[in-house]
Amino acid sequence: DSGVTQTPKHLITATGQRVTLRCSPRSGDLSVYWYQQSLDQGLQFLIQYYNGEERAKGNILERFSAQQFPDLHSELNLSSLELGDSALYFCASSVAFNLEEKLFFGSGTQLSVL
Amino acid sequence: AQSVTQLGSHVSVSEGALVLLRCNYSSSVPPYLFWYVQYPNQGLQLLLKYTSAATLVKGINGFEAEFKKSETSFHLTKPSAHMSDAAEYFCAVRIFGNEKLTFGTGTRLTIIP
Repeated sequence: DSGVTQTPKHLITATGQRVTLRCSPRSGDLSVYWYQQSLDQGLQFLIQYYNGEERAKGNILERFSAQQFPDLHSELNLSSLELGDSALYFCASSVAFNLEEKLFFGSGTQLSVL
Repeated sequence: AQSVTQLGSHVSVSEGALVLLRCNYSSSVPPYLFWYVQYPNQGLQLLLKYTSAATLVKGINGFEAEFKKSETSFHLTKPSAHMSDAAEYFCAVRIFGNEKLTFGTGTRLTIIP
């Protein structure tokens, strides 16, 4: 158990809908990362937050947004969903913003867009 | 920009045989390199990392990787495969000053009894 909690584990929805994925980092970790894992693109970095502020942005679509709350949990919002958004979405946390080698990953949320 | 290429999306080896998973990197500056493992229904776990110290890096579960600058490679090896090694393996790269970790597309390792 990595200590990173992601909910829900599975999510099935329809095209055009909006969903929210939730991540609770390990106790004491200030940095949260979101990754998208799909069969054709592999593991793609989406966005990083550190202590409530956006720190780095990767290949995140404009239809997607995220935030980190004062209690350090994070949410990834996906809107106007398309079939191609079906993927496994991982959250990871680390104690600082530049310690990716000490990332702890959650088990992921499997999103299926039908 | 940095990137990694993993050769072979699927690799099968017999139990007890050598495991070799290939990773080549591209970076304009000296990179930090990592191997992660993902077991079914779990998140990624760090296997080992190279951060410009020893070129031969030993990780958990008997895995090791060698940084070869002349070949821009960081291949992952294990002398004798075990059934529990069946998983997906990701190579990743980061460069100093860039906080983004860039992953390869992964290699699924299957162990044949």
